[in-house]
Amino acid sequence: DGGITQSPKYLFRKEGQNVTLSCEQNLNHDAMYWYRQDPGQGLRLIYYSQIVNDFQKGDIAEGYSVSREKKESFPLTVTSAQKNPTAFYLCASRGKAGYSYNEQFFGPGTRLTVL
Amino acid sequence: AQKITQTQPGMFVQEKEAVTLDCTYDTSDPSYGLFWYKQPSSGEMIFLIYQGSYDQQNATEGRYSLNFQKARKSANLVISASQLGDSAMYFCAMREGAGRVSNAGGTSYGKLTFGQGTILTVHP
Repeated sequence: DGGITQSPKYLFRKEGQNVTLSCEQNLNHDAMYWYRQDPGQGLRLIYYSQIVNDFQKGDIAEGYSVSREKKESFPLTVTSAQKNPTAFYLCASRGKAGYSYNEQFFGPGTRLTVL
Repeated sequence: AQKITQTQPGMFVQEKEAVTLDCTYDTSDPSYGLFWYKQPSSGEMIFLIYQGSYDQQNATEGRYSLNFQKARKSANLVISASQLGDSAMYFCAMREGAGRVSNAGGTSYGKLTFGQGTILTVHP
């Protein structure tokens, strides 16, 4: 089945540690996105990538890093520089750039808790 | 400034009744798209409906319709015949522009700005 997978579903991290969240899609989508969601809030864009080997900062990129070495994969690293990393992280992808409106498809999310 | 505003933190509706979830937006770009997503307690985001700024007619998808009032910059979601499974958080989102080129040469299609969400509870 085509879709987006994120792993792990739950992640616990000690303060001061870096941690990497996985996002894989087999939809052959060009664009991929990372969002952060805090309790009772909307989604905020962290990073996005339109094509392989290219990515752009979103609205809240500080303390995060990404890579896009393969079309299917867009991992997010939450670094120790992120002051308040406890949140729900959602990965999304979208079809070929140039279509006028096609929607973003979302993965199931990773809930990160810093202990 | 808030680009997407959802003024209803929570809404209640009786099963089988219709409900309207409000969304207003702010943009100076003539080309934009408006989306509604549903987020159940599991956390996944489910796409419901889309409205383009140049679309002449209001979008409809099954029990979902979008009441698009361009002059008022509002894009309210109407759910008809509510079901218990409709209980969830609902987000309005906007994508601006059609073809802005980033510094790296890629286009900026696809960036979404989300509202704060509305929690809908359907009562039996």
